[in-house]
Amino acid sequence: GAVVSQHPSRVICKSGTSVKIECRSLDFQATTMFWYRQFPKQSLMLMATSNEGSKATYEQGVEKDKFLINHASLTLSTLTVTSAHPEDSSFYICSAKDRLRSSYNSPLHFGNGTRLTVT
Amino acid sequence: AQTVTQSQPEMSVQEAETVTLSCTYDTSESDYYLFWYKQPPSRQMILVIRQEAYKQQNATENRFSVNFQKAAKSFSLKISDSQLGDAAMYFCAYRSPGANSKLTFGKGITLSVRP
Repeated sequence: GAVVSQHPSRVICKSGTSVKIECRSLDFQATTMFWYRQFPKQSLMLMATSNEGSKATYEQGVEKDKFLINHASLTLSTLTVTSAHPEDSSFYICSAKDRLRSSYNSPLHFGNGTRLTVT
Repeated sequence: AQTVTQSQPEMSVQEAETVTLSCTYDTSESDYYLFWYKQPPSRQMILVIRQEAYKQQNATENRFSVNFQKAAKSFSLKISDSQLGDAAMYFCAYRSPGANSKLTFGKGITLSVRP
């Protein structure tokens, strides 16, 4: 089945530093990837939609200068949390859509998530 | 904008029994997809079942089935013969038509299974 690899699975960083999270589709090409944020025991909140070769579309209230998204190839999207602060500590999950399965009923494939802790 | 409501934050079921998880949604669209996702403690999102809005027949996947009531905008998940491995958070999700449409999730429900 379709596999999405998300790396790292856990990261601890100091306040003020930047952290990059990678999301790779291993056996399919993804023109569209979605980045979610999840707090403990809460739902997934969509942060942004990234499309290969173009700028990401951010949801209302998400700072695009803080959460930089790059989708430079059909198999890789990255989320960079810039100048991280403790309030950015959260669980971040990516999901990807298979380019060859364009129907909206095709499922999204999720990465295993990244737990970010900012000290 | 579409909204998905899961009003029960927690539920518990005895092993081997049946449990139903509720979900309602609000939309003005006539065509859409609905999903149930399972998130175990590993945090991996696992697709449980999906329903096409234009299909009247309720979707079924082994022990999992849905009760889709389009007019009432209700989409409940029934888990039969509950197993310990079913313990997880369950999210109901809505997806609009469109190649790059996003998933809108409900708040989720934590299901515990008593041995």
